[in-house]
Order: sequence, then structure tokens, then C-alpha cells
Amino acid sequence: DGGITQSPKYLFRKEGQNVTLSCEQNLNHDAMYWYRQDPGQGLRLIYYSQIVNDFQKGDIAEGYSVSREKKESFPLTVTSAQKNPTAFYLCASTAQGANYGYTFGSGTRLTVV
Amino acid sequence: RKEVEQDPGPFNVPEGATVAFNCTYSNSASQSFFWYRQDCRKEPKLLMSVYSSGNEDGRFTAQLNRASQYISLLIRDSKLSDSATYLCVAPRAGGTSYGKLTFGQGTILTVHP
Repeated sequence: DGGITQSPKYLFRKEGQNVTLSCEQNLNHDAMYWYRQDPGQGLRLIYYSQIVNDFQKGDIAEGYSVSREKKESFPLTVTSAQKNPTAFYLCASTAQGANYGYTFGSGTRLTVV
Repeated sequence: RKEVEQDPGPFNVPEGATVAFNCTYSNSASQSFFWYRQDCRKEPKLLMSVYSSGNEDGRFTAQLNRASQYISLLIRDSKLSDSATYLCVAPRAGGTSYGKLTFGQGTILTVHP
């Protein structure tokens, strides 16, 4: 079955630590996205990539980094520069143009301890 | 004006009731719209796509009014399992926004016995 896999499901980060969230898709989608969701709030775009080896900042990119070395993979690194990283992180993908909406992974819940 | 605006609710309705949510959008060039459903602590899942004046799927009807720039979602014969947050989604505005969607903050629905 095609889909998007995010791992881990839960992640705990210590102060000053970098952590990487994995996102893999086998839908043959060109475009991939990372969103952050805080309790009671909407989804905010962190980074997106419409093609391999290219990515763009979204609305809240500070403190995050990404790479897109393969079509199937779009990992997100939450760096120590991100001062408030506790949130629910969602990865999504779509065929070009998003005319059919996004498919989401099941998310990673990151907590700072 | 926000790109997508929804009434956050919450809407509390009894089983069997009919409930409607409205959503306004600012990008007049948008062609395709979506309603997603998000259960607590889960990822959003595509409920309906709206490309023309409307779409119907069983108990769910989505309507689009381009002149007034709003989308509605009607749920008939509400079930307990319909309790969730409903997200209104539209394409983002701007020349570099190809393939990017913007999400409303969501409308919370609780269906009670």
C-alpha cells in the first residue's frame, strides 16, 4: 500500500540538542511538505520541496533544516536554535499542483524535556 | 484578512442532527478546495474535494460560492463518530505558491447521544 511513513511517533529532546524527524513516501509524489501544529492551532508551513535537491522556506523556517536527496525522503532537523520545538509535526506529499490535496503521515510528537 | 477563516466552534449537536460549517477564503484565483477531518492527536485526512459548485458524498455535502468566496460543509444525520475537527483548505495566494495549500484553524464538532 502506498503512503507516507513518519518516524518516530514520539520524540523527546533535551535542551540544546538537534533531532531529526524522518519522512518517507512511496506514492511517487514530487512535492513534500513539513507542517507544525500546536494545540488548538492550525497547521503552519515549515519547509517544502517540489523537486529533488531543491527546497524552500515556509512561514516558520527559523530553527529548522531539511534535505531532499531522494524523491522518497524529506527529513526535518529541529536544531537547538528552535526555542519552542514542542509540537506535533506533520509531513505531507502531493502530486505537482496539489489539485488532489495532500496525503499526510501519521505525525511525530516532539517534546522538550 | 486571513487566507482561510473558519468559525472554531465548538459545535455541540445531538445524534441525528444536521450541522453546517462555513469557511471564507481570500485567494479569488483558487480553483480547488478541500475539507479535511482531524481526530484528536491524529493526522488530517481528506474528507472531500470541491472543484466546481459542490460535491456530495453520502451524508456530507460541500458547496462552493465563488462570488462570495466561501465554502460550506453540511453533515446530515450526525453520528457519534463524526466528532472531530474539520479543516477547511484552499490554495495559497501568490506566484510562488504553486502546490501550496493553506489550512484554516479548524472547526470542532462534538456529537452527543
